[in-house]
Amino acid sequence: KQEVTQIPAALSVPEGENLVLNCSFTDSAIYNLQWFRQDPGKGLTSLLLIQSSQREQTSGRLNASLDKSSGRSTLYIAASQPGDSATYLCAQRTSGTYKYIFGTGTRLKVLA
Amino acid sequence: GAVVSQHPSRVICKSGTSVKIECRSLDFQATTMFWYRQFPKQSLMLMATSNEGSKATYEQGVEKDKFLINHASLTLSTLTVTSAHPEDSSFYICSAPYREFYGYTFGSGTRLTVV
Repeated sequence: KQEVTQIPAALSVPEGENLVLNCSFTDSAIYNLQWFRQDPGKGLTSLLLIQSSQREQTSGRLNASLDKSSGRSTLYIAASQPGDSATYLCAQRTSGTYKYIFGTGTRLKVLA
Repeated sequence: GAVVSQHPSRVICKSGTSVKIECRSLDFQATTMFWYRQFPKQSLMLMATSNEGSKATYEQGVEKDKFLINHASLTLSTLTVTSAHPEDSSFYICSAPYREFYGYTFGSGTRLTVV
């Protein structure tokens, strides 16, 4: 069974800290992995997408890496801000399908 | 960029009634639409996949007679929750692929409360 796990489930940090969110997946036949942000009661905003042939992607203060051999992806947030407070979800798409399997999410709170 | 417009954003209905949720792709053709459900403090669970002009494919454990999906055009997919019960209260969200090499775009979600 395909599973996507995110650690930690919740995280509270002071403003300015650099932080790492972890995502683990069991399916080695990965097509791509996407990181999303979800604000309370809202839909999803795509942050970064990493194809299976890539090792990392960067957008502003965000950097996502992908290690297929270990089944892990990390989202690095530099110089965190209170506006970064949200739930971060990773989702894996397996080769040969259009489906995304979502992780359990990390609820991030950045304190001013 | 690609946008999927989802309506309504919130709906409260009485038990036993039906509710329709619409997802429209505004600037691209969505031949496929995915419907997810999210319970409080849980992740998104895929319910079904709709394809324009054909029957939807439902995930295991999802009642197809209760969650009716219609994808009659390349820009519109609808999910109808029939004979809603309080346990159907959830956050429903749709998603469509807009480019093969890129990710998917998501609707803004619908918060359904059945009283």
